[in-house]
Amino acid sequence: AQKVTQAQTEISVVEKEDVTLDCVYETRDTTYYLFWYKQPPSGELVFLIRRNSFDEQNEISGRYSWNFQKSTSSFNFTITASQVVDSAVYFCALSEVRGTGFQKLVFGTGTRLLVSP
Amino acid sequence: ETGVTQTPRHLVMGMTNKKSLKCEQHLGHNAMYWYKQSAKKPLELMFVYSLEERVENNSVPSRFSPECPNSSHLFLHLHTLQPEDSALYLCASSQGGTGVIQETQYFGPGTRLLVL
Repeated sequence: AQKVTQAQTEISVVEKEDVTLDCVYETRDTTYYLFWYKQPPSGELVFLIRRNSFDEQNEISGRYSWNFQKSTSSFNFTITASQVVDSAVYFCALSEVRGTGFQKLVFGTGTRLLVSP
Repeated sequence: ETGVTQTPRHLVMGMTNKKSLKCEQHLGHNAMYWYKQSAKKPLELMFVYSLEERVENNSVPSRFSPECPNSSHLFLHLHTLQPEDSALYLCASSQGGTGVIQETQYFGPGTRLLVL
């Protein structure tokens, strides 16, 4: 069965520190997609990134970067020079192959990031 | 700007009440989803509609009844709920209709439900 593990329940950092959120996944599929979402206190899950299983290049978007390593089944997320506005719960998710006309996401339990001034 | 809206944002109801949650997407998508988010639990997929047809009912109790009158609107009708149903209910949409796994789901802000 598909599974996503985010072992870090909560991380606290001081502003301007770098922080890495870990995500480890399990799947038997050769083709799959991985996602990161951010959930601020307002509740809405905000899409951050999607990565397919055939693309192992790291990606950088501003202060955000993602490290995808198939060999260790990990898709880690790093925030450089963290800011208070980065405080949120971050979810990693894995897309399952379904033949019934829709996509199913398997979510991890999330990592709460607290950035203090 | 948000492509997926949900109303109400907060709801308190008694166990004998009947209420409905509404979701609307403005993204031209064909698939819509209801999720339940309880404290310290992973997001639970409840229902999925693709092209206005229910394609997934993830063993959800019958006191939750979804309705999808068109591809832009999704409702979750609630009746005789239990206190353990208190949670954040999230709606999402994706391009849908083809079952492709690379779709991105876009979420609304959720309805925070408290059952007394």
